[in-house]
Amino acid sequence: EPEVTQTPSHQVTQMGQEVILRCVPISNHLYFYWYRQILGQKVEFLVSFYNNEISEKSEIFDDQFSVERPDGSNFTLKIRSTKLEDSAMYFCARTKAGPASGELFFGEGSRLTVL
Amino acid sequence: AQSVTQPDIHITVSEGASLELRCNYSYGATPYLFWYVQSPGQGLQLLLKYFSGDTLVQGIKGFEAEFKRSQSSFNLRKPSVHWSDAAEYFCAVATNTGGFKTIFGAGTRLFVKA
Repeated sequence: EPEVTQTPSHQVTQMGQEVILRCVPISNHLYFYWYRQILGQKVEFLVSFYNNEISEKSEIFDDQFSVERPDGSNFTLKIRSTKLEDSAMYFCARTKAGPASGELFFGEGSRLTVL
Repeated sequence: AQSVTQPDIHITVSEGASLELRCNYSYGATPYLFWYVQSPGQGLQLLLKYFSGDTLVQGIKGFEAEFKRSQSSFNLRKPSVHWSDAAEYFCAVATNTGGFKTIFGAGTRLFVKA
């Protein structure tokens, strides 16, 4: 059973549309992350979220992206106006404490295809 | 800024042969180092990690890695490769200064031939 459940597993959207990707951790942890992996490329850090606030974000995470944990359980990544280059696999992950304290537990990913 | 370099994009080894995947990192403080494996269509799974202490660390599936500070390296090894080891392997360094993030290398794809 995965430590983190992500939905949807695959989403196809038109360029310019808004997309929300969801992540539900199995247990109640405080540290969450979003990573993305463009097909055949490296896993890239997007954002870390700690105690209901963004802890750090990469240069990829521009104004088109946002994260929140609206109900204390689901952790969402929103892309406001998708571009073709947003097509990628998006992974949610969590750690029991900060990332230097142990391993990242990844979900199985949400594949986003922007047409 | 921290970075991770995996110089080999792909490696092919024969089943039963030994394996070494290279990883070099750049980070100003004490690094927290990891190796993850990704099978096709799957998320990443931790193989092993180094925080401190013994520089030779053991992981799952018979893998080990050695931290060499003088070379800024954290190479992954396995004495005898199995066909099921074919996957993508990512070296990573975690930071805990100011923010929380883990930086991954570009990955090395391992092919295993019979």
